[in-house]
Amino acid sequence: AQTVTQSQPEMSVQEAETVTLSCTYDTSESNYYLFWYKQPPSRQMILVIRQEAYKQQNATENRFSVNFQKAAKSFSLKISDSQLGDTAMYFCAFKRTGNQFYFGTGTSLTVIP
Amino acid sequence: KAGVTQTPRYLIKTRGQQVTLSCSPISGHRSVSWYQQTPGQGLQFLFEYFSETQRNKGNFPGRFSGRQFSNSRSEMNVSTLELGDSALYLCASSFSSGGDYEQYFGPGTRLTVT
Repeated sequence: AQTVTQSQPEMSVQEAETVTLSCTYDTSESNYYLFWYKQPPSRQMILVIRQEAYKQQNATENRFSVNFQKAAKSFSLKISDSQLGDTAMYFCAFKRTGNQFYFGTGTSLTVIP
Repeated sequence: KAGVTQTPRYLIKTRGQQVTLSCSPISGHRSVSWYQQTPGQGLQFLFEYFSETQRNKGNFPGRFSGRQFSNSRSEMNVSTLELGDSALYLCASSFSSGGDYEQYFGPGTRLTVT
């Protein structure tokens, strides 16, 4: 079975600073996809960034980047220049070649002005 | 393009009743997945439908069922409601099943069972 673990239930960061959210996963698959989703308070979940396991290069989307360590089964999210609008619940997710997503329990991030 | 829509947005039911939730995917999307979100458990996968067929199923009792129509709209049904079924139910659509297609989430239906 696939499991996704987010060991930081809550985090906070000062505006304009950098924060890293951790995620580890467990799988015996060699081909899979990893995602970070953001769920702002009372708003819809949206995709932040994704990574294909066969790609060694870490994905980057503007201020968001990942540190993908396949051997360690680690997939952390780094947010640079944190903004107030980054305050949200962040979910790490794993997907095999089918369409079944496995989500972690989430990290609640608060950006402090 | 319109996003994923879910109806109703809020629902209050009594134990023992049944409930039906509806999800309309993004136009052109044929895969619809359902998730249960609770504070303690996070998001748990219920099932996925693709082209009117259930493709994957999570570890939920048979009281939870679903279906998909030819226009890709999907419904989820929960029978004999229990207090523990109180949750935010999220629907997500994607273009296809498999591959690295992103899932787009709806706003959710907040179900409260009293």
